[in-house]
Amino acid sequence: GAGVSQSPSNKVTEKGKDVELRCDPISGHTALYWYRQSLGQGLEFLIYFQGNSAPDKSGLPSDRFSAERTGGSVSTLTIQRTQQEDSAVYLCASSSRAFPNYEQYFGPGTRLTVT
Amino acid sequence: AQSVTQLGSHVSVSEGALVLLRCNYSSSVPPYLFWYVQYPNQGLQLLLKYTSAATLVKGINGFEAEFKKSETSFHLTKPSAHMSDAAEYFCAVTTSGAVSYQLTFGKGTKLSVIP
Repeated sequence: GAGVSQSPSNKVTEKGKDVELRCDPISGHTALYWYRQSLGQGLEFLIYFQGNSAPDKSGLPSDRFSAERTGGSVSTLTIQRTQQEDSAVYLCASSSRAFPNYEQYFGPGTRLTVT
Repeated sequence: AQSVTQLGSHVSVSEGALVLLRCNYSSSVPPYLFWYVQYPNQGLQLLLKYTSAATLVKGINGFEAEFKKSETSFHLTKPSAHMSDAAEYFCAVTTSGAVSYQLTFGKGTKLSVIP
């Protein structure tokens, strides 16, 4: 079946602009995660959604970052007033939460470059 | 709190030689451990996982890893390296005590295979 998809695959934006990154999880997966992969920091957790529960936003680096998940499916990560340090690959993952056969399936990522 | 340490940011092996990528974890509760592989410009692909069943875990592409609680290790091995194994490898941990089962990743090890 279809895997996790993300769009756009690449995004170049000017400093100070807002960007939206989209994630389509695997159908039926109730859990959705956003991670950021950057040269200096490696892979970092950003935010987690599970069903209709309040999201775990503990990994968001600043209040310029926000995310929503509509209808328990598609998610959008928004970065306002982008800064050069926001340049990174943003990865989305989804999971069925079938514990302990738990694993996260990752999308190909969106490469964000802030100029 | 949980953390992962991968020893060696770069490892080079000759084609046909043993591959050994090291991962040590820190966790106050029993962990769930994962190895992911990332090929250039692609997302993360799960190689194998440990979820408290057998301590020797076999994964895809001939890789395996052994969970050693006494050493807090989960090293990845493959008896004979192939050129197609050249990629970056990430060890990750989560626990049943984690609120969101977010993965905590190591910094990654880039594997080069020399013909």
